[in-house]
Amino acid sequence: DVKVTQSSRYLVKRTGEKVFLECVQDMDHENMFWYRQDPGLGLRLIYFSYDVKMKEKGDIPEGYSVSREKKERFSLILESASTNQTSMYLCASFKGHSGNTIYFGEGSWLTVV
Amino acid sequence: DAKTTQPNSMESNEEEPVHLPCNHSTISGTDYIHWYRQLPSQGPEYVIHGLTSNVNNRMASLAIAEDRKSSTLILHRATLRDAAVYYCILRDAGGTSYGKLTFGQGTILTVHP
Repeated sequence: DVKVTQSSRYLVKRTGEKVFLECVQDMDHENMFWYRQDPGLGLRLIYFSYDVKMKEKGDIPEGYSVSREKKERFSLILESASTNQTSMYLCASFKGHSGNTIYFGEGSWLTVV
Repeated sequence: DAKTTQPNSMESNEEEPVHLPCNHSTISGTDYIHWYRQLPSQGPEYVIHGLTSNVNNRMASLAIAEDRKSSTLILHRATLRDAAVYYCILRDAGGTSYGKLTFGQGTILTVHP
């Protein structure tokens, strides 16, 4: 089975800290995504990547950056965490064309205090 | 990406069929229709997808209108474990939006014992 693994399930960080959220998939997927999910707002796309070292801004990239140095790993970086970045973060990936299944990680719950 | 419209919430009784509608009047000829669901505290999971013809799998059926401007996810016998948020999304098989995934608000399905 395809597996999308998010390194941390629950994190608590202080305002101003640098935060790394890691996502790894084990099925050679080209396309990887980071979303955040907040009550009443649904899933909002932060960044996505369709190849190694490639990245594209999603709908809400402000305050975030990403890194895709290897095909299997897509990292989300909060350079200076703020309380409004408290949220659930979801990583997703899929292979090839848009008829293929999207696989999601279990989510990372980040609290910034 | 073309936009989808779903009801905010629906209710069903256990063991009864559930029909979850989705409108996508601006769908293009190359858009796949995908359905995902999200259980509480988990990442979304794949349910079903199709392009033009109706589709069946072990989880559900997907009925696609002849003009493709709407579709319906059918759960044949709802169980309590089907209570989730259901997302209908369109995925472009080509064009400049390739790779970007945008989710709507989804439908919250409540299943009563």
